[in-house]
Amino acid sequence: DQQVKQNSPSLSVQEGRISILNCDYTNSMFDYFLWYKKYPAEGPTFLISISSIKDKNEDGRFTVFLNKSAKHLSLHIVPSQPGDSAVYFCAASAYGAGNKLTFGGGTRVLVKP
Amino acid sequence: DAGITQSPRHKVTETGTPVTLRCHQTENHRYMYWYRQDPGHGLRLIHYSYGVKDTDKGEVSDGYSVSRSKTEDFLLTLESATSSQTSVYFCAILGGGASNEQFFGPGTRLTVL
Repeated sequence: DQQVKQNSPSLSVQEGRISILNCDYTNSMFDYFLWYKKYPAEGPTFLISISSIKDKNEDGRFTVFLNKSAKHLSLHIVPSQPGDSAVYFCAASAYGAGNKLTFGGGTRVLVKP
Repeated sequence: DAGITQSPRHKVTETGTPVTLRCHQTENHRYMYWYRQDPGHGLRLIHYSYGVKDTDKGEVSDGYSVSRSKTEDFLLTLESATSSQTSVYFCAILGGGASNEQFFGPGTRLTVL
């Protein structure tokens, strides 16, 4: 039973356009959400996060939106750059649960020049 | 750079042999985690530690044990490796402050023949 799901395994976008990555979760106890970016043969690197008390968080080209009623979050990358080509994971945690992260299966993004 | 190293980076072993993976951090972080990454599953938590000699199970702990005898080192042991444990293993630490951001090591690719 996957508590965090990324239903799109891959995404292809033209350089300069917007990339939108989606993530759904089922556990209503999750109160903190994160996005990680992963290049081949490297560990995941933290990208951006959002607390459940907010519905939007922005950091440069990256914006995360949270819709708690729909248990859905999305990551927007604008504008997309070739260096953004990577696998993106969303993750969630619940307060007081050892700060453990539950990850989605990942979305592979390809940004075409 | 959270000062996390993992050793070995690559290992090939045979079914039934014991294997120990090491995670080393240099910044005295209290929480440390072991995850495995498999296609379609994202990262799944194996075990985590919330202090010296304090550990707890994660989602996929069967067949694995851990030890933490000092703050900087977190060891993951496969008592008797099986082919299903072929995976990429990542260690992580919990960053400081009020965030739930984890920072990952470079990973260990383990192949069990």
